[in-house]
Amino acid sequence: QVHLVQSGAEVKKPGSSVKVSCEASAVTFTSFTFNWVRQAPGQGLEWMGRVNPLSGTSNYAQRFTGRVTITADESRRIGNMELRSLTSDDTAVYYCATGTDRTISFWGQGTLVTVSS
Amino acid sequence: DIQMTQSPSTLSASVGDRVTITCRASQSVNNWLAWHQHKPGKAPRLLIFGVSNLETGVPSRFSGRGSGTEFTLTISGLQPDDFATYYCHQSDDYSDTFGQGTKLELK
Repeated sequence: QVHLVQSGAEVKKPGSSVKVSCEASAVTFTSFTFNWVRQAPGQGLEWMGRVNPLSGTSNYAQRFTGRVTITADESRRIGNMELRSLTSDDTAVYYCATGTDRTISFWGQGTLVTVSS
Repeated sequence: DIQMTQSPSTLSASVGDRVTITCRASQSVNNWLAWHQHKPGKAPRLLIFGVSNLETGVPSRFSGRGSGTEFTLTISGLQPDDFATYYCHQSDDYSDTFGQGTKLELK
């Protein structure tokens, strides 16, 4: 069973950046992707983007393009998500999720990011 | 981006009921359609992938069907553990989107 462990909660000022990491263990499939999905308070799930650690290729949701960078180090099984120019609207729980190709199969426990002055 | 519209937004049901949630896509998503279950304070859980394939360990009372732009998730014989929010998820065009969610609550 794949296990994803995310970094801890963050409190950030408006205009700053946040970086959240995710370490995958017990991954048995040879090719997998890291996805990042967020949930703002009282809202639904919102996909932000994914990276394929083997190819290095990333895809992003249009609304985050230019403001988010998703990377992964395949040899370390760690995925990272950096979101820049934070506003209060970015306050959310950020989930790391992994799977093969375009399937999301396993989810991390979530990381709360609070943006407040 | 492909828009995913779920209905209903809220569904009230009793233990033992059979319920169906519908998800409509703004264009064809081929077979790149999954369903996830989410409970407050917990990680979401994949239930079904590829429209109708049950993820390992998911009870057989969950089933999915559909094609093109219209899909359904059916739970036959609701159990207390099933009360949660359900999301459809498309990944056809490498820019995924989720439906807005359907909250299944106890009547």
